[in-house]
Amino acid sequence: AQSVTQPDIHITVSEGASLELRCNYSYGATPYLFWYVQSPGQGLQLLLKYFSGDTLVQGIKGFEAEFKRSQSSFNLRKPSVHWSDAAEYFCAVGASWSGDKLTFGTGTRLAVRP
Amino acid sequence: DARVTQTPRHKVTEMGQEVTMRCQPILGHNTVFWYRQTMMQGLELLAYFRNRAPLDDSGMPKDRFSAEMPDATLATLKIQPSEPRDSAVYFCASGSSPGLEAFFGQGTRLTVV
Repeated sequence: AQSVTQPDIHITVSEGASLELRCNYSYGATPYLFWYVQSPGQGLQLLLKYFSGDTLVQGIKGFEAEFKRSQSSFNLRKPSVHWSDAAEYFCAVGASWSGDKLTFGTGTRLAVRP
Repeated sequence: DARVTQTPRHKVTEMGQEVTMRCQPILGHNTVFWYRQTMMQGLELLAYFRNRAPLDDSGMPKDRFSAEMPDATLATLKIQPSEPRDSAVYFCASGSSPGLEAFFGQGTRLTVV
């Protein structure tokens, strides 16, 4: 069965500092990989996705993520965090052979220190 | 700006009552998901549909939950009878297969008292 692990429940960074959120997945083959962001009281918004090709993908709001097959990881990064980035971040996996069903990690809550 | 629309946004009901949540997927999307989000369990997939046919509803308590797509523009999730443990935020999402990315609605916050 597919699974996603986000090892960090909470992360606090200072505004302007760099950020890396970790995501590891368990799959039989290369899945589709996604990062979503959820602000309080809102639905989930897609930040970026990886299907194939270049392993470094760029997303909205200055985020990027790198797919590393050898480590089964898809970590999210941002070089300089803004206060408005405070939210919860979810990594998700899916695959066409599983009917495109998306499985989400438990999320990482990001706090930004002024 | 295409978006997934969910109604109602908030619902407070008494235990034992029927609850119906509605979702209008983005026009042209052929896949619809229902997720439930709680603090304890995170995001759980309840059911999803492809071209209006149910593909997987194994995450849904069958005795009280039901999900349908009467037509391509409407998905419903019903709980009958509702229980306090059903209190959660229910999200609908839609996408286009294959390799889909899911677009989420704003959610329905359900409180069962």
